[in-house]
Amino acid sequence: EVQLVESGGGLVQPGGSLRLSCAASGFTFNTYEMNWVRQAPGKGLEWVSYVSRSGTTLYYADSVKGRFTISRDNAENSLYLEMNSLRAEDTAVYYCARDLGHGYTGIFDYWGQGTLVTVSS
Amino acid sequence: IQMTQSPSTLSASVGDTVTITCRASQYISTYLNWYQQKPGKAPRLLIYGASTLESGVPSRFSGSGSGTDFTLTISSLQNEDCATYYCQQSFSMRTFGQGTKVEIK
Repeated sequence: EVQLVESGGGLVQPGGSLRLSCAASGFTFNTYEMNWVRQAPGKGLEWVSYVSRSGTTLYYADSVKGRFTISRDNAENSLYLEMNSLRAEDTAVYYCARDLGHGYTGIFDYWGQGTLVTVSS
Repeated sequence: IQMTQSPSTLSASVGDTVTITCRASQYISTYLNWYQQKPGKAPRLLIYGASTLESGVPSRFSGSGSGTDFTLTISSLQNEDCATYYCQQSFSMRTFGQGTKVEIK
């Protein structure tokens, strides 16, 4: 069974940093592209970042470019999101999401349960 | 690429056929996906490539369209279809629509 479990969320002050993790199981992690997607309270979904299977190709939404860094550790079956210079508008539930794979990219077939990040003083 | 869904909210009765539209700000071929999200839950993939039903999704869900205009149709609406539906383009980066909340009358 495919499982994605996020952790690392919490309360952080504006300007602070936080590192999110996503532990993957139930599939061959290094053969799938991965993403982070967020959802502000009561709002819609916003794609945040993408990482290729090898970790060498990275994409970011304009809203987080230069502040967030996505990475992965295929040996540990883990995905990460390093978040710096956090702002109030970064407050959201952060989901890790797997790409469908098999040549399909940008289609999110499995999602974690999410971890809440609150940026507030 | 901006994605615009309509309506923002719709209310229908069990058994009705419901249609949600999604428009892209530029050409995206059929790189259009649909998700369902229930309160407090992660989104669920329903349809990808504009019209391909994800495994396990009931056949009352269907998608169509290409280019810039797309539709999600739910035929014979069920109580469990009460949710928010999002379109998402995967042609260039990834962008979601703002969502359509489906309520049962």
